[in-house]
Amino acid sequence: AQSVTQPDIHITVSEGASLELRCNYSYGATPYLFWYVQSPGQGLQLLLKYFSGDTLVQGIKGFEAEFKRSQSSFNLRKPSVHWSDAAEYFCAVGAAGGGADGLTFGKGTHLIIQP
Amino acid sequence: DAMVIQNPRYQVTQFGKPVTLSCSQTLNHNVMYWYQQKSSQAPKLLFHYYDKDFNNEADTPDNFQSRRPNTSFCFLDIRSPGLGDAAMYLCATSRSGTGSYEQYFGPGTRLTVT
Repeated sequence: AQSVTQPDIHITVSEGASLELRCNYSYGATPYLFWYVQSPGQGLQLLLKYFSGDTLVQGIKGFEAEFKRSQSSFNLRKPSVHWSDAAEYFCAVGAAGGGADGLTFGKGTHLIIQP
Repeated sequence: DAMVIQNPRYQVTQFGKPVTLSCSQTLNHNVMYWYQQKSSQAPKLLFHYYDKDFNNEADTPDNFQSRRPNTSFCFLDIRSPGLGDAAMYLCATSRSGTGSYEQYFGPGTRLTVT
């Protein structure tokens, strides 16, 4: 069974500083990987995705993520955070090959931005 | 704009009183999902429709049912809500067979059980 681990429950970063959110996955084949962001009381917005090809993927809002197969990781990065980035971030894995299976989410990382 | 719409955004129901949550989409996606997200937890898949085919997760309680009368609409029925069913319910859609498997989420319905 697939699983996702986000080891950091909370992360506090100063505005303007760089950010890295960690994600490790467990899946038997090539996974489809996603990062979603959720603001309080809202649904999930897709930041970026990895299916194949270039292991460094660019997303919206200045985010990027790097797929490292050897480490089973898909960490999210941003060079300079803004106060509006404060939110809950979820890493998710989907089963390759079907496109219809549901996603398995990590427990999320709560990002706090200090002024 | 094409989107996923959920109504109502907030729903209060009484313990044991049936409730229905609604989801509609203008994306013309063939797959629709329902997730349950309890406070400070990850979304958990309840079931999904692949076209008209219903796929229930093994650990989804029988208390939860779903209907998809057409491509655009999907409903979540909770037959006898308990206090433990209070959560955010998220509807999502995707299009299978195109090589693009991301799911598009609605804003969610926050269910309170009194």
